[in-house]
Amino acid sequence: EAGVAQSPRYKIIEKRQSVAFWCNPISGHATLYWYQQILGQGPKLLIQFQNNGVVDDSQLPKDRFSAERLKGVDSTLKIQPAKLEDSAVYLCASSLVARGAPNYGYTFGSGTRLTVV
Amino acid sequence: GQQLNQSPQSMFIQEGEDVSMNCTSSSIFNTWLWYKQDPGEGPVLLIALYKAGELTSNGRLTAQFGITRKDSFLNISASIPSDVGIYFCAGRRTGNQFYFGTGTSLTVIP
Repeated sequence: EAGVAQSPRYKIIEKRQSVAFWCNPISGHATLYWYQQILGQGPKLLIQFQNNGVVDDSQLPKDRFSAERLKGVDSTLKIQPAKLEDSAVYLCASSLVARGAPNYGYTFGSGTRLTVV
Repeated sequence: GQQLNQSPQSMFIQEGEDVSMNCTSSSIFNTWLWYKQDPGEGPVLLIALYKAGELTSNGRLTAQFGITRKDSFLNISASIPSDVGIYFCAGRRTGNQFYFGTGTSLTVIP
């Protein structure tokens, strides 16, 4: 099966600019996650979608970050305006799990490496 | 967010040696996962554990779900150069969110 697709792979922007990342999960995967991975650290969850609804966005900096999954398939993550500390790899993951069902773990995409200068 | 501590932070070993690493938490988890991340790639799932005391193998990898449910262990036997990478544990309490550990960087010297 095709994996989780993300684009772009790399992005360099100046602080205060805007940026958007795109994710296409594995076909049929209802749950989609965006993670932020700062260099030298483990991934940190930003937002979790179940189909097109938000399940958990408690760690999303909502003053500058937004995400949507309008048709329950692809998703976009936007940062506006970007700060230097937003430099990180943004990972998208998807899973088959539905609420209340056993969780067999995620499949991650290759990520988008963002550098804010 | 929940903090999972992994140790050691980094390891340098000779090819053929066995490797052990662990992950600890102050909270009880219901599921433990182990991932490997190569440079420039997303983490890839290695092993999933669902019950306290469970011991699961995947080739040369063996992982255990600690009895206290606050820790997990990963062992790699007879290491090879392609084992190089960063190993992350991830734990889940309730719901569908996994919390990731701080990572163990493994270097295998041929």
